[in-house]
Amino acid sequence: DAGITQSPRYKITETGRQVTLMCHQTWSHSYMFWYRQDLGHGLRLIYYSAAADITDKGEVPDGYVVSRSKTENFPLTLESATRSQTSVYFCASLSGTGSLVGETQYFGPGTRLLVL
Amino acid sequence: SQKIEQNSEALNIQEGKTATLTCNYTNYSPAYLQWYRQDPGRGPVFLLLIRENEKEKRKERLKVTFDTTLKQSLFHITASQPADSATYLCALEDYGGSQGNLIFGKGTKLSVKP
Repeated sequence: DAGITQSPRYKITETGRQVTLMCHQTWSHSYMFWYRQDLGHGLRLIYYSAAADITDKGEVPDGYVVSRSKTENFPLTLESATRSQTSVYFCASLSGTGSLVGETQYFGPGTRLLVL
Repeated sequence: SQKIEQNSEALNIQEGKTATLTCNYTNYSPAYLQWYRQDPGRGPVFLLLIRENEKEKRKERLKVTFDTTLKQSLFHITASQPADSATYLCALEDYGGSQGNLIFGKGTKLSVKP
């Protein structure tokens, strides 16, 4: 199906383990984003990517690693999970055509991560 | 750095009334502002975008205003319905970040009672 998907939808892991959250979009959008959403903080940008092999840090990148070898995929890895990384993670994409002024982001359904 | 605030965490209204949500920002002048809807357990969904040179934008029962002097946007839902119950997020361009990046408010949870 066309759109943006995330997997897994739910994940329970333990402190210190490595976890990878997957994001896949079928639109060939240039831009992709990872956010975390926590009560009291709203959506905060972790990392973003303007194109394959181009990534950059957002507001809260510590403890996370991203890669983008293909335009359609943008995995987010927690190298050594901590309890403070318990959150809901959203991936988003944006086409990046034209001037970008006012282009909207399209969000995936989210991954709920619990770190014990 | 820019700051964005949605004044109310929650808003409860009666069905049929107009809901008005507020988004204020400080420290810069964005070229545009967006409003998203988020239902429980789902990702945000884009609703409306308004540019700095537009004072008002409408889409069906939704209306957004953008006052660059007051640094404020108002989001109205007229003839509200229980199905409008959701969290509404406003978002501004991230002036210090890459083009296309947004900064989101914390959201206002709207509950429409029948």
